[in-house]
Amino acid sequence: QVELAQSGAEVKKPGASVKVSCKASGYTFSAYFLHWVRQAPGQGFEWMGRINPNSGETNYAQTFQDRVTMTRDTSVSTAYMELSLLRSNDTAVYFCARSKNPKQLDLHHWGQGTLVTVSS
Amino acid sequence: QSALTQPPSASGSPGQSVTISCTGNSSDIGLFNFVSWFQQFPDKAPKLIIYEVNKRPSGVPDRFSGSKSGNTASLTVSGLQADDEADYHCASYAGRNNYVFGGGTKVTVL
Repeated sequence: QVELAQSGAEVKKPGASVKVSCKASGYTFSAYFLHWVRQAPGQGFEWMGRINPNSGETNYAQTFQDRVTMTRDTSVSTAYMELSLLRSNDTAVYFCARSKNPKQLDLHHWGQGTLVTVSS
Repeated sequence: QSALTQPPSASGSPGQSVTISCTGNSSDIGLFNFVSWFQQFPDKAPKLIIYEVNKRPSGVPDRFSGSKSGNTASLTVSGLQADDEADYHCASYAGRNNYVFGGGTKVTVL
């Protein structure tokens, strides 16, 4: 069965960086886009960007363009999202999710989420 | 890109219908038929219940339906059940490989 297993919770200080991983199993890793979406406490979702695991091509939301880097390691079927220059309002649960269609946000499968807390 | 606008809450009695709106603009919902809806229970990952405006993934009951008119998409839950009580989030393709989400709507079953 399809599974996206994310790394564990992180606590970071303002100004630091965080790198969250998303290990895929149960399907062909390179065949689906991997998106990163975050949810601040009590808030809605915010799309951060996506990576095409086949080519490595990335698309980032303008809000995060200068601070986010998405990469993948096809040898271990894992995608990574690194967010730098963290501030308190980056405290959120970060999810990875896969889609097939390049335009459709058909996110049928999600990771369990990774809580990132930014606090001094 | 601005977020899509959803009402913060909606409610209905068991057996009734509830409809949630999701308003964007002519650059996202109004331009593309790529609207998705997600159901989320507290402290859980979301579940896709509608994609491409009105398509249901397998296993999603036909009590859930989606539609779109102009810049506004809607999710209707018919025959409301107690376990439909959850947060519902809309999302749309916004062009140039970008996507926007709504703020979410909490549905309460009275």
